[in-house]
Amino acid sequence: EDQVTQSPEALRLQEGESSSLNCSYTVSGLRGLFWYRQDPGKGPEFLFTLYSAGEEKEKERLKATLTKKESFLHITAPKPEDSATYLCAVQPISNFGNEKLTFGTGTRLTIIP
Amino acid sequence: DAGITQSPRHKVTETGTPVTLRCHQTENHRYMYWYRQDPGHGLRLIHYSYGVKDTDKGEVSDGYSVSRSKTEDFLLTLESATSSQTSVYFCAISESGQAYNEQFFGPGTRLTVL
Repeated sequence: EDQVTQSPEALRLQEGESSSLNCSYTVSGLRGLFWYRQDPGKGPEFLFTLYSAGEEKEKERLKATLTKKESFLHITAPKPEDSATYLCAVQPISNFGNEKLTFGTGTRLTIIP
Repeated sequence: DAGITQSPRHKVTETGTPVTLRCHQTENHRYMYWYRQDPGHGLRLIHYSYGVKDTDKGEVSDGYSVSRSKTEDFLLTLESATSSQTSVYFCAISESGQAYNEQFFGPGTRLTVL
């Protein structure tokens, strides 16, 4: 069974204090790993897709990395507007053609001004 | 934002009544999904569709049915609502093919079953 575990559950940082969020996964074969941002009362917003170990992607203050067992979302010099819940999801190779994702429960990030 | 709307956005209903939630897309994407989101469980797939009139079950499909008669619309029906179906429901869409397997989400429907 595919599993996604995110840690920590919640993280409070001072503005400008860099940190990383972790997404550990177990799948029979990874087709893609996805990061989403979710603001309260809204739907998840797509951030990144990573396909293979060693891959990195960046967007503003966020950088996502991938290994064979986990992904990290690095947040550099965060601002209060980066406060949100960050979700990780995996798509196994066995689900090719139907795009089903397995989600983690998320990390709730709060940036204090 | 991807062109996805959900209706209603909020609904309160009573146990035993049928409820239908609607998802409408303007992106002409092939795949559509219904998820529910509950504290401590994350997003869980209820049903999905891979084309008009083509649907399949997800991880938590009991008590739910779906229909897709047009590319742009995907309906989720709770046949007889129960309190355990109180949740936030999200619709998502994706295009098929390796370059397009990201899913894009709608704004959600908050359903309360009393």
